[in-house]
Amino acid sequence: DTAVSQTPKYLVTQMGNDKSIKCEQNLGHDTMYWYKQDSKKFLKIMFSYNNKELIINETVPNRFSPKSPDKAHLNLHINSLELGDSAVYFCASSPDGTNEKLFFGSGTQLSVL
Amino acid sequence: RKEVEQDPGPFNVPEGATVAFNCTYSNSASQSFFWYRQDCRKEPKLLMSVYSSGNEDGRFTAQLNRASQYISLLIRDSKLSDSATYLCVVNGGSYIPTFGRGTSLIVHP
Repeated sequence: DTAVSQTPKYLVTQMGNDKSIKCEQNLGHDTMYWYKQDSKKFLKIMFSYNNKELIINETVPNRFSPKSPDKAHLNLHINSLELGDSAVYFCASSPDGTNEKLFFGSGTQLSVL
Repeated sequence: RKEVEQDPGPFNVPEGATVAFNCTYSNSASQSFFWYRQDCRKEPKLLMSVYSSGNEDGRFTAQLNRASQYISLLIRDSKLSDSATYLCVVNGGSYIPTFGRGTSLIVHP
């Protein structure tokens, strides 16, 4: 029943490892996003995909690689994790990415040790 | 100047009080505006959209001032359950919803 689901909810890992976060939406939306919320609670957009096509790639290190196999899924793969990557990562979707509201997943708390 | 700015607070108010938050934005071409609410350790959830003519939803009133480039949120008769962080979101163009840092509200008995 969950509209936007992301897994895992918690991810604890060592520096230098590679990890992935998965996101799926069952709302039939065309647009999906990844946001990063740092320790100061600032939500910063990382990527935006519309119908599997990359629309926005903000100033994010190329260690972060999004993958959208279809418009219902947007996964985030992170290579060579660094301490500064520790944050909460939120996936979101919206009907068409223009002026519609966002539906968020429950977030993935990433802790890099 | 940051794209979307909010006073982080916290705003500490007693139950029953009226409290108002403002949010300023820098992109005059911004098309749509929203207020989201985020509870501690939870995801943001849409509270209300903000329309040019202003809109009300129960105890919550949102206003848009395009000339001065700000939006506001007024909460009347505050409840303990209103304690949360309120995030202003401005959609500056297709696919770019930009969040403010949020304003923390604490409602105490």
